[in-house]
Amino acid sequence: NAGVMQNPRHLVRRRGQEARLRCSPMKGHSHVYWYRQLPEEGLKFMVYLQKENIIDESGMPKERFSAEFPKEGPSILRIQQVVRGDSAAYFCASSHEAGGWEQFFGPGTRLTVL
Amino acid sequence: GENVEQHPSTLSVQEGDSAVIKCTYSDSASNYFPWYKQELGKRPQLIIDIRSNVGEKKDQRIAVTLNKTAKHFSLHITETQPEDSAVYFCAANSGYSTLTFGKGTMLLVSP
Repeated sequence: NAGVMQNPRHLVRRRGQEARLRCSPMKGHSHVYWYRQLPEEGLKFMVYLQKENIIDESGMPKERFSAEFPKEGPSILRIQQVVRGDSAAYFCASSHEAGGWEQFFGPGTRLTVL
Repeated sequence: GENVEQHPSTLSVQEGDSAVIKCTYSDSASNYFPWYKQELGKRPQLIIDIRSNVGEKKDQRIAVTLNKTAKHFSLHITETQPEDSAVYFCAANSGYSTLTFGKGTMLLVSP
């Protein structure tokens, strides 16, 4: 049973470009969460999605960031017009059920903005 | 919203000693408290969790205690080993099912 998959593992972008981060949840999981981790800091919640629905995006910056979890395919976190401050590790996690069930993390995508 | 405070930020112990990491939370509605271990450059991995209907849970050398009245919970690692060295994060659920994490504790176990 494959775990949570993320790709790419490393992504380098120049300022102003777009970054697309992908997350495939564990088999049987229908809840996906995205977190951002800055160096030597904790995990900051960004957005919680179910298939075709955004449930909670209270942690998402209001501009340039968007997320989706289509009926088919992986969840996508999209960052438009990246800036140096977007450099971070982005982790997604998935869970089987909401409301207290374990969240399992992917290996992360390390975004570097030059 | 939920706020989770974690202490200490760094903890150094000798191999074989015990280590205790403490967290407090603010939302009395929180009812799920997981602990994650993150090794350098790796993903956070769930090591133990506790729900608000119990006060303590143990799994071999790891235990977690929860005091709902005081809104704090703690991770206890006994007989520490060098491979326990990592960053440990506590978390509490908030809202429907999102997690709010503490800032992490870097644990260093010296042989």
